[in-house]
Amino acid sequence: GQSLEQPSEVTAVEGAIVQINCTYQTSGFYGLSWYQQHDGGAPTFLSYNGLDGLEETGRFSSFLSRSDSYGYLLLQELQMKDSASYFCAVRPQAGTALIFGKGTTLSVSS
Amino acid sequence: EPEVTQTPSHQVTQMGQEVILRCVPISNHLYFYWYRQILGQKVEFLVSFYNNEISEKSEIFDDQFSVERPDGSNFTLKIRSTKLEDSAMYFCASSESIGAYEQYFGPGTRLTVT
Repeated sequence: GQSLEQPSEVTAVEGAIVQINCTYQTSGFYGLSWYQQHDGGAPTFLSYNGLDGLEETGRFSSFLSRSDSYGYLLLQELQMKDSASYFCAVRPQAGTALIFGKGTTLSVSS
Repeated sequence: EPEVTQTPSHQVTQMGQEVILRCVPISNHLYFYWYRQILGQKVEFLVSFYNNEISEKSEIFDDQFSVERPDGSNFTLKIRSTKLEDSAMYFCASSESIGAYEQYFGPGTRLTVT
C-alpha cells in the first residue's frame, strides 16, 4: 500500500519556527510536495522537492531525504495567518495522482 | 492570475440521484484531476484525465463515477446514483504538463447526500 505519516497537530506562537515531518512509503516516488489548506478550502501548493536537500521559498522551506523516505516543511517567523492544515503529498509517477498524508493542523497563537 | 473554478459550490441531493460536478481548469493546462475530501479527513485521489481519456483512477472511482470533457473548457464528474458516503468536498485540479509538479486546485464543491 501507500502511506504517508505526519503529526496530526502542532501548536506554536507567533514568531516561532515549526517543523512538520513526513515519512512516506509508496510504490514509486516522483517528488514530495506540501500543500496548505485553510478551513477546508482549496489546497494550495507551497513547496516541492524532487531531489535531496533543502528548498527555500520565503518563510517556508522544505527538505527531502529520499534514502530515508523522509521530508519536512519548515515554517519560520510564524504568523497567525499560518494557522491551517498542512499536507505532504507524494506523486508515485510523473503526471499522475498526488497521494496525500492525513494532514497536520497548525495552530499559531499570539 | 489564472485559477480553477468549480460549480456549484454546494450541492444537496437525495440518495440514488445523479449529480454532475463541473470544473473549468486553467486554460493551458493539459492534465486534470478529481479529488475528494470527507470532512476532517485527508484529500483522496479519484481520477486523472489527459488527452480525453482517463489516465489513472483509484479504487474509489468505481462504475458509479464517470468523467468527461464535453468541450474545450469544462471538465465534469458525474456520480450516477449517489450514496450517503459520497458526501464530501470534491476538488478539481489541473496541471500544466506531465512534468509539472504543481497541481492547482479549485475551491471545491461540497456534496451533501441525504
